Amino acid sequence: QITLKESGPTLVKPTQTLTLTCTFSGFSLSTSGVGVGWIRQPPGKALEWLALIYWNDDKRYSPSLKSRLTITKDTSKNQVVLTMTNMDPVDTATYYCAHGTDAGIAAAGTQYYFDYWGQGTLVTVSS
Amino acid sequence: QSVLTQPPSASGTPGQRVTISCSGSSSNIGSNYVYWYQQLPGTAPKLLIYRNNQRPSGVPDRFSGSKSGTSASLAISGLRSEDEADYYCAAWDDSLSGPHVVFGGGTKLTVL
Repeated sequence: QITLKESGPTLVKPTQTLTLTCTFSGFSLSTSGVGVGWIRQPPGKALEWLALIYWNDDKRYSPSLKSRLTITKDTSKNQVVLTMTNMDPVDTATYYCAHGTDAGIAAAGTQYYFDYWGQGTLVTVSS
Repeated sequence: QSVLTQPPSASGTPGQRVTISCSGSSSNIGSNYVYWYQQLPGTAPKLLIYRNNQRPSGVPDRFSGSKSGTSASLAISGLRSEDEADYYCAAWDDSLSGPHVVFGGGTKLTVL
């Protein structure tokens, strides 16, 4: 079965860089039509999509955070890494990684949806 | 402020049918698929509906999705206490800034 788990620091200081790792099993990120995305949720607030990496190494980023985000994959290790620079207290949130499945093509191009999610990891930004 | 607009709350009694709306624009819902996620308290979101109206295996047929123009709806029939959760709509957006995913602000469903 497909499982994903996020790992990384629980506390980071303002201006530091956050590095989160998503370790997954049950699928390969070299398989056509597969992706892994990152979504975050500040305490008591809504979900916010951050980034997605496709099986072919294509990448998509949130326009509002694009300058701060980098997503990479290590297919041999079954891992996806998200880095976010210049962390701020407003970035305090639970960060989720999720398995993406190709839903087909529409106006925005190839559409992926998130059908399996990790448990999430809470990252607090504070000095 | 979320790109997709949902009512912050909804409620119903057991057995009732409730609907949750999601309003967007031509660059997201109007031209792309809509997805719905359920988030039970203290847990990760779960996919409920994909491609506007498709249910993943294991999701009861009490849940249904629809889309018309730049709006979408999630309907829950035969409401049950375990349906009490937050519900989020999502869609891809193909604005000038490049394709990206947008979420609604979420709707908290209370089963009275």
